[in-house]
Order: sequence, then structure tokens, then C-alpha cells
Amino acid sequence: DQQVKQNSPSLSVQEGRISILNCDYTNSMFDYFLWYKKYPAEGPTFLISISSIKDKNEDGRFTVFLNKSAKHLSLHIVPSQPGDSAVYFCAARRSGGYQKVTFGTGTKLQVIP
Amino acid sequence: GAVVSQHPSWVICKSGTSVKIECRSLDFQATTMFWYRQFPKQSLMLMATSNEGSKATYEQGVEKDKFLINHASLTLSTLTVTSAHPEDSSFYICSASGWDQPQHFGDGTRLSIL
Repeated sequence: DQQVKQNSPSLSVQEGRISILNCDYTNSMFDYFLWYKKYPAEGPTFLISISSIKDKNEDGRFTVFLNKSAKHLSLHIVPSQPGDSAVYFCAARRSGGYQKVTFGTGTKLQVIP
Repeated sequence: GAVVSQHPSWVICKSGTSVKIECRSLDFQATTMFWYRQFPKQSLMLMATSNEGSKATYEQGVEKDKFLINHASLTLSTLTVTSAHPEDSSFYICSASGWDQPQHFGDGTRLSIL
């Protein structure tokens, strides 16, 4: 049962344009969401997170949007840079304490120079 | 800088060998650490939650006797793959976090069993 889904396995974007990565979840108990970036043979690197009490969180070029009613979140990268090319994982958990994280299947982003 | 250190980064060993992987939190005390496994082109699958001073909590389908987890201190958790076989070859990643904080991951260990 895949509780966190990323339906696009890959995405190609021109440098300078916007990259939009999407994520859907099914477990209504999740109230804290994260995005991680991962290069091959490395551990994921935390990018940005959002609590369910918000619908938007911004950090530099990265913005995460949350639509609770649709159980959908997205990561916007503007402007996209070649160094952003990596696999992006959406993740979700319950807030409070040390909660385990459920990961999506990942979207491979390629930013074309 | 890295807040979670994982060692070794790559292990190649013969079938039947036991392999120990270490995970250390560098900047904070981690009462809880997590161990994941990733197969090629797949997501990270949580194997177990490592609790300092107590037994680990394993996810369904993960063999406790095969994957031994020890969390002896607030900064160190170890995963031992016992009597490893080729099907255990994978990328193993640990993570840790402070209270109600995002998890930070180690760089992973690539395990290859011949």
C-alpha cells in the first residue's frame, strides 16, 4: 500500500524555467510533509518541509504548496538550475516526537542547460 | 556539514559473512534513529526504528534475526546483517533527527554480497 505517491517518475525542464514536482498521499493522519533531494549512491538531503497548518512554505528557490483537501503537495523550483538535477522524494509523517517517515517513489528531475 | 555519519560507505564480502554498519549523529543526540533500504530505482523502505536503550521496532516483513540493530548510545546505532546472502545486496541508509525535526540522512552503505 503506497501511502505517498509520486506519479511522475521523471521530469525534464529547461534551465531557468520552473520545475514542478507533484506528490499525493492517502493517509489522513499525516500532518507534516518533507521534500528530499537525492543523488546516486548518497543519502537524501533535506530540502524543505511544511506543516499541515500551512498551505505554503518558501525557502529561496524552493516553494512547497499543500492542498489538504486534495491530499496533494507540490514542490516548485524557480529558476531551475542544472545542479538541481537529481531524484526528488516526497515524504510524510505525523508531527510530534520521533515519527517514522513514509517516502514516495521519487521523481527524477533533469534540468537541461 | 554532515549531521549524520554512516560507515562504511561500501562493503563487498562473501556469502555467509556478517556485516556491521554504523550510524552516528554528529550534532545532536538521537534517541531514535531509522534504518532504510533502497533497491535500484525504488523508494526508500523503512526497515526498523532504532531506539536508544531499548529494542528496535521492525517493520512488517523485516527479519529481526537477520538485521540486528543496536542503539547503545544517543549518538550511535549499528545495523548488522547476519549471514549475508546475495539477496541482501542493497543500499542501506540510516537517519536521525532531533525532537519533532526533519530527519537527516547518512550517505548510505552499498552492500554487495558475492
